[in-house]
Amino acid sequence: EIVLTQSPGTLSLSPGERATLSCRASQSVPINYLAWYQQKPGQAPRLLIYGASSRATGIPDRFSGSGSGTDFTLTISRLEPEDFAEYYCQQYGKTPLTFGQGTKVEVK
Amino acid sequence: QVPLVESGGGVVQPGGSLRLSCAASGFTFSSHGMYWVRQAPGKGLEWVAVIRFDGSSRYYAESVKGRFTSSRDNSKNTLYLQMDSLRVEDTAVYYCARGAGAGSFWHLDIWGQGTMVTVSS
Repeated sequence: EIVLTQSPGTLSLSPGERATLSCRASQSVPINYLAWYQQKPGQAPRLLIYGASSRATGIPDRFSGSGSGTDFTLTISRLEPEDFAEYYCQQYGKTPLTFGQGTKVEVK
Repeated sequence: QVPLVESGGGVVQPGGSLRLSCAASGFTFSSHGMYWVRQAPGKGLEWVAVIRFDGSSRYYAESVKGRFTSSRDNSKNTLYLQMDSLRVEDTAVYYCARGAGAGSFWHLDIWGQGTMVTVSS
């Protein structure tokens, strides 16, 4: 099983600041099949990034993904008020499909 | 029009059964792999099951293998999750989600709103 470890657990930032979220895999993610999702309280997750670096339809360009192999990063260039939420990485290259434990981005 | 709508959640005793449904609309259901993902209260996301576009293969998380069965009826645009021998630790919101492609290894580009399953005596 590919274990995904996200860091930090919580990120306290102000609107306008840059957010950098990390996702480290216990083994190489096949074909860089790594996605990032955003989830707000009481809502379903929303796809942000797939294939490690491709933005999903309708996602603003302040969201970007990078990385390969075992180390992946989600960057939010300038935080907007609506970006404060929980973020999860997920690998879908190998079963069992696995999620990271999440990073909460909160208002400082 | 909401693309994915789950139903069938509720309260059930340990050892009981429940069948969840996920009605799809607005896209070609039979062209996509479909997934179940759950989230226990206050916890993170956990993948549960995936079924290929034609139902020819299915994969399950170890935690539900042998107890849960995913199926689909492409003529009714509906995905199912039959949950047997339910345990307290199965308590969660269950989401159905669409894979971006036909097989079992795709990112999840559309999610339903979820249905709550509570296993309690």
